[in-house]
Amino acid sequence: SQQGEEDPQALSIQEGENATMNCSYKTSINNLQWYRQNSGRGLVHLILIRSNEREKHSGRLRVTLDTSKKSSSLLITASRAADTASYFCALRITGKLIFGQGTTLQVKP
Amino acid sequence: DVKVTQSSRYLVKRTGEKVFLECVQDMDHENMFWYRQDPGLGLRLIYFSYDVKMKEKGDIPEGYSVSREKKERFSLILESASTNQTSMYLCASSLVDFGRSLFNSPLHFGNGTRLTVT
Repeated sequence: SQQGEEDPQALSIQEGENATMNCSYKTSINNLQWYRQNSGRGLVHLILIRSNEREKHSGRLRVTLDTSKKSSSLLITASRAADTASYFCALRITGKLIFGQGTTLQVKP
Repeated sequence: DVKVTQSSRYLVKRTGEKVFLECVQDMDHENMFWYRQDPGLGLRLIYFSYDVKMKEKGDIPEGYSVSREKKERFSLILESASTNQTSMYLCASSLVDFGRSLFNSPLHFGNGTRLTVT
């Protein structure tokens, strides 16, 4: 399968803690994108990291990409209850964008 | 901020009906997409368009058609709705990429239309 495999499938943490989600894949990619989806809503783009980049930051979000291990991680620091959502990695493979099944994050107040 | 607006949040239709799902974006994006999202199957691309009157099949186009008469509007049409088309439908748009390659720019999604076909 070309799809990214996300780990864990579900994560429950307390407000203020950090949350780390991982995405592993098997094929070569052009870029990798992370999206958030609140319950019953559309997806919101978080970060796009290209295959020649190793790390990107956006506010409390930090994304790393290790092309040798074919894996990426999304770190949310100092989580808030509003971060409760599903998080998806999406792999840009030639001509396609393949979404993973997502990690469901619950942040307890 | 890019705004992608889907005309209905919830829709209930009968088997055999012709269904129109409308999507409008306000940022002059060239690319527009229709996905469906189902538990256990993730997001699957139905159709996309990279220009007015242009359309390309995605991974699961069967039973669907699309229309793009204006740059800002992309419509998904279910010619004869069936129960297996019950799903969450998501519209998205993006800027054209260098060389017209897709998916090098982020997708901007609407809030989705949850369609139930009975």
